[in-house]
Amino acid sequence: KNEVEQSPQNLTAQEGEFITINCSYSVGISALHWLQQHPGGGIVSLFMLSSGKKKHGRLIATINIQEKHSSLHITASHPRDSAVYICAPSRKNQFYFGTGTSLTVIP
Amino acid sequence: DVKVTQSSRYLVKRTGEKVFLECVQDMDHENMFWYRQDPGLGLRLIYFSYDVKMKEKGDIPEGYSVSREKKERFSLILESASTNQTSMYLCASSFPTPAKVPFFGPGTRLTVL
Repeated sequence: KNEVEQSPQNLTAQEGEFITINCSYSVGISALHWLQQHPGGGIVSLFMLSSGKKKHGRLIATINIQEKHSSLHITASHPRDSAVYICAPSRKNQFYFGTGTSLTVIP
Repeated sequence: DVKVTQSSRYLVKRTGEKVFLECVQDMDHENMFWYRQDPGLGLRLIYFSYDVKMKEKGDIPEGYSVSREKKERFSLILESASTNQTSMYLCASSFPTPAKVPFFGPGTRLTVL
């Protein structure tokens, strides 16, 4: 079963580029989370969305509930943004995790 | 500073060995989780516990068991390790608040030879 699809699976970008990661899901949800996992590190939460758009610094997350789609954008990407980004829709206490997008930003 | 710690970052075991992965959280969380993470498959829930001595099967419990004797500690046990259990294992904990992402530990990369 594949409740969550992320694209692309792998992404390499030059420093400064605008990056978009997409997430489509098939389940009804109460919220959607974007998570970041650095190599060798744990997972941290970047955003929790239930509608519209949120912005933290250079990161922007959007969600379209009707289309069951969310995007994570990184403006002016930097090598320290290199990580795996995971989309995780949730319903009550249950999380559905995407397979992740591995981002490498080259100086 | 909130913390979820796992007993080992890297572990190498032989097929058939009994393996214990330990997880400790210092946030007084009721919920604790064990996930495994594999390339192309993402995070998959093995077991979770919402209270001491309580446990619930996740999506892939076969070949695993768990123990929660104290609130802060949640152990994952591989009774007889197999090569297909080579993976990254992540522990997490949370309060029973809907839609809050758990706090994750750093992970244990287990290799079964």
